[in-house]
Amino acid sequence: NAGVTQTPKFRVLKTGQSMTLLCAQDMNHEYMYWYRQDPGMGLRLIHYSVGEGTTAKGEVPDGYNVSRLKKQNFLLGLESAAPSQTSVYFCASGNLNLGLAGVGELFFGEGSRLTVL
Amino acid sequence: AQSVTQLGSHVSVSEGALVLLRCNYSSSVPPYLFWYVQYPNQGLQLLLKYTSAATLVKGINGFEAEFKKSETSFHLTKPSAHMSDAAEYFCAVRSFTDKLIFGTGTRLQVFP
Repeated sequence: NAGVTQTPKFRVLKTGQSMTLLCAQDMNHEYMYWYRQDPGMGLRLIHYSVGEGTTAKGEVPDGYNVSRLKKQNFLLGLESAAPSQTSVYFCASGNLNLGLAGVGELFFGEGSRLTVL
Repeated sequence: AQSVTQLGSHVSVSEGALVLLRCNYSSSVPPYLFWYVQYPNQGLQLLLKYTSAATLVKGINGFEAEFKKSETSFHLTKPSAHMSDAAEYFCAVRSFTDKLIFGTGTRLQVFP
């Protein structure tokens, strides 16, 4: 059982280049999220999606775009990479609100380490 | 807005000693709270969650956390630290719009 899979795991870019991070989940979750992790700052939400075809901004959305064309995939794009986007990116999926069944949890991928020179 | 604050970015304990990682929350409604653990070069995994069913929540690997409304706290504890507990720990709160808002993390070091 794969869970949440992120590709690529490592990438080095030059300033101004573009790239896409792919997140795939096999748990049939409606909600998917992209976070970035930086030392001393914890995880900050970039964008998220509450279902196929929907996206919404999180805490730090500038410089990123996302798409959710299929329920199982959530793509994070950098159109023109900047050194400030050097970070570890985590994708997560889950159903936090289970209604009467209670509160769910988020499941995380192993991360994608991006360096922008 | 809901938020969590983790006190202490680094905590060091000896193997066998008590582990105490602090988390305080801010919420205008009863919160749903989580503790996640991140081992080196891995993603986050759930340790435990508070969903108002019981104030003392037991998680994996011998960890537990107690919800204290009067202190707006949800501290994580383990009676006896093991070397394998060395990791970074994150407290999180579920927002009104079904997102997780994380604290800045506490790195736990365990010395032999």
